[in-house]
Amino acid sequence: EVQLLESGGSLVQPGGSLRLSCAASGFTFSSYPMTWVRQAPGKGLEWVSGISGNGLSPHYADSVKGRFTISRDNSNNRLYLQLNSLRAEDTALYYCAKVRVMSSAWYPPYYFDSWGQGTQVTVSS
Amino acid sequence: QSALTQSRSVSGSPGQSVTISCTGTSSDVGTYNYVSWYQQYPGEAPKLMIYDVTKRPSGVPDRFSGSKSGNTASLTISGLQAEDEADYHCCSYAGGYTLVFGGGTKLTVL
Repeated sequence: EVQLLESGGSLVQPGGSLRLSCAASGFTFSSYPMTWVRQAPGKGLEWVSGISGNGLSPHYADSVKGRFTISRDNSNNRLYLQLNSLRAEDTALYYCAKVRVMSSAWYPPYYFDSWGQGTQVTVSS
Repeated sequence: QSALTQSRSVSGSPGQSVTISCTGTSSDVGTYNYVSWYQQYPGEAPKLMIYDVTKRPSGVPDRFSGSKSGNTASLTISGLQAEDEADYHCCSYAGGYTLVFGGGTKLTVL
């Protein structure tokens, strides 16, 4: 059974930094692209970032480009998201999710068939 | 990467059919047949219901169907059941290895 468990979310001041982590199990982690999707309170989903199975191809939404960095450790089955220069509008529940189809690349289409329960990031002074 | 447009809410009675629309642009929905739909219950993670515009993952009831015309994708739920009451989110490939979601639609079963 695929399991994804996010951690690292907390309350942080504007301009601060956080590192989110997603521990994966139940599948061959290195064979699948992974992604981060966030959801602000009472709002829809927003794609944040994705990374290829081999970790060499990261991609970002314009809203976070230059501030967030996605990475993965395939030896320890972990996905990461480094959040820098945080803003109030980054406040959201951050989900990690697994792409449905096995691939070493980050190449469309992207469908997410397994999700974690999310970790809350709150940016406030 | 502007969000896809979904109506905020839709409702229907048990047994009826409802359609949820998702409007994008020629840069996303209109160009790519990479549209998906996710169901989300309050306090839970999303669940993939439709991919490639019309396909259903294993285990998703055939009451759920997807379609697309021009820049608008649609999710139709026939034979509405109480358990279908949830939020539904559309998603499309938007080029440049990026994705865009809609704002979500709350389905109420009357």
